[in-house]
Amino acid sequence: GNSVTQMEGPVTLSEEAFLTINCTYTATGYPSLFWYVQYPGEGLQLLLKATKADDKGSNKGFEATYRKETTSFHLEKGSVQVSDSAVYFCALSDRGYQKVTFGTGTKLQVIP
Amino acid sequence: SQTIHQWPATLVQPVGSPLSLECTVEGTSNPNLYWYRQAAGRGLQLLFYSVGIGQISSEVPQNLSASRPQDRQFILSSKKLLLSDSGFYLCAWSLPNQPQHFGDGTRLSIL
Repeated sequence: GNSVTQMEGPVTLSEEAFLTINCTYTATGYPSLFWYVQYPGEGLQLLLKATKADDKGSNKGFEATYRKETTSFHLEKGSVQVSDSAVYFCALSDRGYQKVTFGTGTKLQVIP
Repeated sequence: SQTIHQWPATLVQPVGSPLSLECTVEGTSNPNLYWYRQAAGRGLQLLFYSVGIGQISSEVPQNLSASRPQDRQFILSSKKLLLSDSGFYLCAWSLPNQPQHFGDGTRLSIL
């Protein structure tokens, strides 16, 4: 079956530091890949997505590249802000998007 | 534009009491609908999903049930809550070949 593995948190960074949250996946075929963000007490928001190999998703300064050869979709941001503090979920879905498999989430805390 | 509404936002219930959480979607037709549970500090567990009125697929056998009485309405229920039912419940919707979009969640505490 499909699975998503994320680096364990929490990740604590100083403001303006570089962020990487690792994500690897196991899936049959060619899944679509996503990063969702969950701010405290809220639901999940789609942050970015990539639907095929070598696609780069980007939004709000965050980027992730679909690497089929390494089955990875690592999230990066060049300079984090305190407002980026949240839990980040990597996810994948088969074609049709009917069911999504989520990672366990990585909590990011950015300190001033 | 499409919106999703979940209520209530928080709920405190005694063990053994019934439960009804409601989710509605506006601005689209025939969406796929989902219920997830998120235990404290953990990932998301898919509980139920529906691809149409009256069609419910259960992912995990448990104390909960789901119903879809109308196209854009998805209800999560229980006849008798257990302590283990505590958690953060999230409703989501999607269209075919599109990502899922989530509501703001219901925080359920069982006493």
